[in-house]
This record gives sequence, structure tokens and C-alpha cells, in this order.
Amino acid sequence: AQTVTQSQPEMSVQEAETVTLSCTYDTSENNYYLFWYKQPPSRQMILVIRQEAYKQQNATENRFSVNFQKAAKSFSLKISDSQLGDTAMYFCAARASGTYKYIFGTGTRLKVLA
Amino acid sequence: DGGITQSPKYLFRKEGQNVTLSCEQNLNHDAMYWYRQDPGQGLRLIYYSQIVNDFQKGDIAEGYSVSREKKESFPLTVTSAQKNPTAFYLCASSIQGESNQPQHFGDGTRLSIL
Repeated sequence: AQTVTQSQPEMSVQEAETVTLSCTYDTSENNYYLFWYKQPPSRQMILVIRQEAYKQQNATENRFSVNFQKAAKSFSLKISDSQLGDTAMYFCAARASGTYKYIFGTGTRLKVLA
Repeated sequence: DGGITQSPKYLFRKEGQNVTLSCEQNLNHDAMYWYRQDPGQGLRLIYYSQIVNDFQKGDIAEGYSVSREKKESFPLTVTSAQKNPTAFYLCASSIQGESNQPQHFGDGTRLSIL
């Protein structure tokens, strides 16, 4: 069975600084997909970034990038130049190829300080 | 604009009462999902449906029921058998067969007990 673990319940970062959120996963599948979602106080879940496990290159979306270490089963999210609007819960999720189930971690609450 | 609409935003249930949460999508997605979100526990899957007239139990299906009579609609009923229904409920959808595609989420329904 797949599991996703986020070991940092809460984090804070100063505005304009860089922060890294950790995520590890466990799967026996060869092909799978990883996602980071953001849930601001408004509660709507928004996709931040995704990564295909078969791609070695780390995904990047503007200020957001991932450090995907397949052998270590690690999928951390780096937020550069943090902004107040980045304050939110961040969830890591995994989906095995050919399945419909997404497995979510318990989330990391990030607070960006002015 | 395409999206997922959940209603109502807030819902109150009396003891012994069944309540139904609505979820409608106009994204033409085949798969739809219901999650329950409690503080510190991330998202837990209640039910999901890959196709009309078919659905599968998730990890915490007891006390809940669903139907999928139309592609666009996936209502969730919280029955009186669910003894601790107070939570935030999220509906999501995704494209069938495209594992790298993320889920799209509604804005959620907060259910409370009177």
C-alpha cells in the first residue's frame, strides 16, 4: 500500500526567504505521480506542482520547485522568495499509474512572516 | 469557467438525521471523489467513482453513501450511522486514465452537529 508522510506539522519563514517542505512516500509501484497542493485559509485546494516518477528532471513552477530523490522516496517542495500569500496548508500526494486513488500526507502548515 | 461546485458551504445536522452534500462538475471528468478533512489528519478518502453508476468505497466509507447517476453529479449522504460527522468535506474530480493529471477540488462543505 502507498503511504505519504509529511513530518513537519508547522513551519514558518520570513518574507522573501526560502523554505523547504519535506515529503516522503512509500510505494512498490514502478510508475507513479507526485503532487503538491496548497490549501489557503479559504480552504480551496490548489495544485502547486507535479512530478512524474520516470522523469529525472525536477519540476519547477515559477518560485516553486521540487527536489525529487527517487531512490530515497523523497519529494520535497522548495518555495523561493516567500510571499505572504504563500501562507497555507501544503499537502503532498501520490498516485500510482493506472489507479484512481490519490494518497495524501497529513499536511504542513506554512506561515510566512512579514 | 469549468469547475466543481459544492453546496451548501455550511450544513448543520440534527441527531438521527441524514444530510446530503451536493457536488457538481462541468469539467467532463469521469472520476469523482469525496474526502473528509479533520484537523491534523489530512484528507481521507470516503468514496470514489470512476464512471457513471459505479463507485468504490474508500478508507472511511462507514456511515456514508453516494450515488453516481450522472457524470456531472456525485452527491454524498451522511447518514445517522456516522456518529462523528463534524468535518470539512471536499469533492474532487480527475480525468480518467491520465495518472499525471491532478485532481480538481471544490470549495468544500463544512458539516456541524446541532
